[in-house]
Amino acid sequence: NAGVTQTPKFQVLKTGQSMTLQCAQDMNHNSMYWYRQDPGMGLRLIYYSASEGTTDKGEVPNGYNVSRLNKREFSLRLESAAPSQTSVYFCASRDLSSYNEQFFGPGTRLTVL
Amino acid sequence: KQEVTQIPAALSVPEGENLVLNCSFTDSAIYNLQWFRQDPGKGLTSLLLIQSSQREQTSGRLNASLDKSSGRSTLYIAASQPGDSATYLCAVNGGGFKTIFGAGTRLFVKA
Repeated sequence: NAGVTQTPKFQVLKTGQSMTLQCAQDMNHNSMYWYRQDPGMGLRLIYYSASEGTTDKGEVPNGYNVSRLNKREFSLRLESAAPSQTSVYFCASRDLSSYNEQFFGPGTRLTVL
Repeated sequence: KQEVTQIPAALSVPEGENLVLNCSFTDSAIYNLQWFRQDPGKGLTSLLLIQSSQREQTSGRLNASLDKSSGRSTLYIAASQPGDSATYLCAVNGGGFKTIFGAGTRLFVKA
């Protein structure tokens, strides 16, 4: 039982490049989330997926797109990376049957030059 | 709009000391509150989850309390150890799919 996994762990991009961050969970959770974490700030929600086939914007969705590929996988895409997107990105899933407890992946550290 | 505040931002204590970390929130209509630990360069590890109907939860040397009426939660760590050094985050869920996080308290336990 790996929990929530993310790839890659580190990535450096040049401004304007695109990339996709991958996330998978093996806990059979319906809802999945993408957050970004910046120094001195709490985690901010980018997008979430309440269930397979649905996605919704969070607090800071601009510049990002997501795909809920199936129940296990939820990807985050940066179409044209900007230096303001330099951050640590966390994927999470939620167990609605266990009082909404949330579980996190190890994170992807992204630098945009 | 829910806001979550954690004070202090950083705390340094000698090993063996009992300590309290604070979390306050502005909207008392919460579903649950979750405390996380984050080690440098790592993800978040869930420590304790308190449902809105509960007053406290305990796990080992950790005890989390919840007072919805005053908009406060505390995380009590007994007999602190250097291995407890980390950032501690509280997160408030209002019952939907969104969770609001505090900025965290960075704890350093000196040997």
